[in-house]
Amino acid sequence: QQQVKQSPQSLIVQKGGISIINCAYENTAFDYFPWYQQFPGKGPALLIAIRPDVSEKKEGRFTISFNKSAKQFSLHIMDSQPGDSATYFCAAARYMNTGNQFYFGTGTSLTVIP
Amino acid sequence: GAVVSQHPSWVICKSGTSVKIECRSLDFQATTMFWYRQFPKQSLMLMATSNEGSKATYEQGVEKDKFLINHASLTLSTLTVTSAHPEDSSFYICSARGQGSQPQHFGDGTRLSIL
Repeated sequence: QQQVKQSPQSLIVQKGGISIINCAYENTAFDYFPWYQQFPGKGPALLIAIRPDVSEKKEGRFTISFNKSAKQFSLHIMDSQPGDSATYFCAAARYMNTGNQFYFGTGTSLTVIP
Repeated sequence: GAVVSQHPSWVICKSGTSVKIECRSLDFQATTMFWYRQFPKQSLMLMATSNEGSKATYEQGVEKDKFLINHASLTLSTLTVTSAHPEDSSFYICSARGQGSQPQHFGDGTRLSIL
C-alpha cells in the first residue's frame, strides 16, 4: 500500500510561473514531512520540511502548505526557474522515532521552460 | 549542511563479482543509515536500515545474503552486493541520520552496472 501519494507525475511550467506538487498521506502518526530535490545522477537533497503544528513554512521561493485535517501537503515553487528542473519527492515519517523509515512519494518530474 | 559521502559514484564489473559501496557521514555521527535502490524515473525503494553496532533490518523481499550491510562505526556503513548479476544493476543511494530528531541526509548515489 502506498503510504504517500504524490501528484502530478510530471509538470511543465514556464519560467516565472508557480509550480505546485501535491502529496497525501494516510497514517496520522506521521509528524514530519520533508521535500527532496533530485537532479539526474545525484542523490536527493533536502529542500524544505514541515511539522504538523504549522500550516505553512516558507524558505525563499519554496513554500510548504500543510492541511492536517485533509492529510495533505504541497510544495509551491514561486518564480520557477530553469534551474529548478529536477525530480521532487515528498516524504512522511515519524520524526522522533530513531531509525524511522521515510515513506516517499513516487516523485514529480518538473521541467521549467525558459 | 550535513554531508554524506558515497563511494564509488559509478562502478562497472563483471557478473559474479562482489562490489562494495561505502557511505560516510562527514560532519556528524550517523546513528542510523539507510540503503535505497532506485530504478530509472522511479521513487526510492528502501532496502535496509542499519543502526551502528547492530545487524541491519532488511525490508521484505530484499535478500540479506545478497546485500550485506555493515555499520561498524558512527560514520561509516557499507553495502556489499555479493555475486552480482545484471539484474542487480541499479542506482544505490545511502542516507544517514544523526541521533535524536534529525532529518535524513542522502549521499550522491552509486550507479552499479553489471555486465
